[in-house]
Parts: sequence; C-alpha cells; structure tokens
Amino acid sequence: SAVISQKPSRDICQRGTSLTIQCQVDSQVTMMFWYRQQPGQSLTLIATANQGSEATYESGFVIDKFPISRPNLTFSTLTVSNMSPEDSSIYLCSVLVGYSGNTIYFGEGSWLTVV
Amino acid sequence: GQQVMQIPQYQHVQEGEDFTTYCNSSTTLSNIQWYKQRPGGHPVFLIQLVKSGEVKKQKRLTFQFGEAKKNSSLHITATQTTDVGTYFCAGRGSNYKLTFGKGTLLTVNP
Repeated sequence: SAVISQKPSRDICQRGTSLTIQCQVDSQVTMMFWYRQQPGQSLTLIATANQGSEATYESGFVIDKFPISRPNLTFSTLTVSNMSPEDSSIYLCSVLVGYSGNTIYFGEGSWLTVV
Repeated sequence: GQQVMQIPQYQHVQEGEDFTTYCNSSTTLSNIQWYKQRPGGHPVFLIQLVKSGEVKKQKRLTFQFGEAKKNSSLHITATQTTDVGTYFCAGRGSNYKLTFGKGTLLTVNP
C-alpha cells in the first residue's frame, strides 16, 4: 500500500478565489489521479496526473479550471480555479500501486466549501 | 463509455441481519474493486477481484465476481453497527481507470 497525505484537509473558500491542494505519497508510484466527490455523490475522475507532462483530463473537466502539476513520482497538486459554490466537494488524490498491483488507494481528501 | 450500476442506493437493517449490494457493468471488466467510506471519511480499499467467478471472504464480508466479469456483489453476514457506511464498487475496463458505482449507503439499527 501507500501512505497518501493531502493538504489542506478542509477549507472554506470565497467565491472567485483559487485553492491549490497538495498530495504527497510516501513512495514512488506509477500513476496519480484526482477525483471529485460532490455531496452525497459517487467519485468522479477529474484527471490523471502525468509526471513531467500535462495531465490527462476526463470529459467535462478542463485544464483552465483544474490545473494539475506533477513534478515527480511522489507529489502532485490540483488547483481549483475561480471557485463557485458548485465546486464545493471533496477532492481526493489517489495512486495506483505498481503496474501489476492494480489497486488504487485514496488520500483522506480535501473538503472544500465555497461561500 | 463504461457504466457501473449499483443497487440498492440505500439499505437500512437491524443489527444482526444480512446485507447485500450489487454492481453491474455495461462492459466486461478486467477487475473490480470494493471500497468502504465511513460518514465523514474517505474511501478505503477493501478488496480486488480479478478472476471470473472469483469469491473472496474477509471475516463476515463475502465478495463475488460474476462468471462473465460484468457483475459483482458484496454480502455482509450478521451486520454490526461498525458496518455503517457507503460501499462503492469500482470497475476497471481495458485501461487503468476506475469507474465507480453510485454506492450503497448502509445504516444499521442497534
């Protein structure tokens, strides 16, 4: 498994501002992902964070709104830009452990409330 | 695209009763994973099923993967209050991406 640390764990943000969430893993992992979980909903994949290159975004998510960085194999950031109340969600960093392991583990999430 | 349906959406049981949640995929899966999310918590990995017809047990939890690798179930025997939470299945198709079901919220009356 992997130990995944996310910061901040919670925040209350003003409409129109941006917030960057950090994800740190205790070991090198092949793949890192960012998910969103809106209140009472399931998990939706935002993007795959690619090391040293642009992230791969899922349908409905764009780089201008959710810029992602991954400078190395253990760290990634997700920025939620120009926030609105609809962005109030849990944002979860997750990692794929090993090519053959196939298991995705989640960080504890960043709970954002936009007011 | 791949879709994973999960039922029921909610289940309320008396402590000691059994509980089952079902997942069905629109496409054949390479594997399926199950997660539990406690209220206020994050999803925690429970198990992964890979083989057709596979059955795995974790104490009171029994996980099954269908012969066609398109459906799966999680069964809890004799529920306890500690079983409360939302149980998600997540299926992987031909790539590394997981598609999550909507989850089943289990509440247990002591």
